Amino acid sequence: GAGVSQTPSNKVTEKGKYVELRCDPISGHTALYWYRQSLGQGPEFLIYFQGTGAADDSGLPNDRFFAVRPEGSVSTLKIQRTERGDSAVYLCASSRTGGLVNEQFFGPGTRLTVL
Amino acid sequence: KQEVTQIPAALSVPEGENLVLNCSFTDSAIYNLQWFRQDPGKGLTSLLLIQSSQREQTSGRLNASLDKSSGRSTLYIAASQPGDSATYLCAVSPNSNYQLIWGAGTKLIIKP
Repeated sequence: GAGVSQTPSNKVTEKGKYVELRCDPISGHTALYWYRQSLGQGPEFLIYFQGTGAADDSGLPNDRFFAVRPEGSVSTLKIQRTERGDSAVYLCASSRTGGLVNEQFFGPGTRLTVL
Repeated sequence: KQEVTQIPAALSVPEGENLVLNCSFTDSAIYNLQWFRQDPGKGLTSLLLIQSSQREQTSGRLNASLDKSSGRSTLYIAASQPGDSATYLCAVSPNSNYQLIWGAGTKLIIKP
């Protein structure tokens, strides 16, 4: 079946602009995760959804970052007043039920470049 | 605070060699450990998942071991091929948490 998809694959924006990144999880997966990966580093956890609710948003770096999952499927990561330091690859993953032993399946990522 | 380290950061070997990638973690109280592969411009592909009660997992030419007490995992790749060239990352699910804590990865190049 289809895997996790993310759009756009690349996004170039200017400092101070607003961006939205979209994630379509695997159908039927209730858990959804957002990570951020800077060059040469491993991914960094941002937020975890179980269904429609954010079960843990402790990884969001500041209040410019916000994510929603209104119907428990597609999720949108929103970044306000972008800064150059926000440039990274944003990865989305989903798993069947979340929790400690569930395997996470990743999308190809969105490469965000803030000029 | 859980920290995951991968050594070496980069590795280049001739085709056909067997090789070992290393992953260490500071807190032995983990629920599972995963090894992933990342190709340039692509997402992460899960290779092997070892639950805390297990000591190893095998898939084809790949074998991953886990020693919780010493905070170490290894990924063994047998008979390496140029198509194995990628960045390999390990990640742990720490105690009482579901999020993954990641190493920085080992960039592997297999020379034909």
